[in-house]
Amino acid sequence: LAKTTQPISMDSYEGQEVNITCSHNNIATNDYITWYQQFPSQGPRFIIQGYKTKVTNEVASLFIPADRKSSTLSLPRVSLSDTAVYYCLVGDIPNTDKLIFGTGTRLQVFP
Amino acid sequence: NAGVTQTPKFRVLKTGQSMTLLCAQDMNHEYMYWYRQDPGMGLRLIHYSVGEGTTAKGEVPDGYNVSRLKKQNFLLGLESAAPSQTSVYFCASDRPTIPEAFFGQGTRLTVV
Repeated sequence: LAKTTQPISMDSYEGQEVNITCSHNNIATNDYITWYQQFPSQGPRFIIQGYKTKVTNEVASLFIPADRKSSTLSLPRVSLSDTAVYYCLVGDIPNTDKLIFGTGTRLQVFP
Repeated sequence: NAGVTQTPKFRVLKTGQSMTLLCAQDMNHEYMYWYRQDPGMGLRLIHYSVGEGTTAKGEVPDGYNVSRLKKQNFLLGLESAAPSQTSVYFCASDRPTIPEAFFGQGTRLTVV
């Protein structure tokens, strides 16, 4: 499985756009990129998944450059409720049989 | 629709005691996982299963055993609990063709 590197923490203010970048230099051809969100005292929750270019859903956008060695999770107009830890995962097929989490990025949103 | 349910939610054990954590999912998922999460840390995979009757080791399997006798249940056992196993345990399930994994609400285990 490709290892991922994310910033340990980020701060933002309500209403701003937040971009969290994940590096995965050893990503394989069959690997997909998946992001999860975790609130305190809860299990992680799926946000978005992509293979290349751009994916958008009602929660976030995922930008993946052509070389796929990194990806950026974009959260538009964050609110206090977006304060959470965000994990980037990389694995083959739509869902790997071994979900491996890294340390994640702790996002703190201030009023 | 319950999703993934973990039992119990909280437990305090004495060192050397044994216990079993139960994970049940009602989504007919093939894959199931057990994680532990220590304070301020990410999730670490203990064991996982890709189908009924199969199990495999994850990143930190020592001190734990698992069984998947039924597709909907994944049991995590601690034969002789140690204080180092104090943690929050999460169970998850998914299907290989769908990108979204579903997690339980967690079990907070304290070993004294």
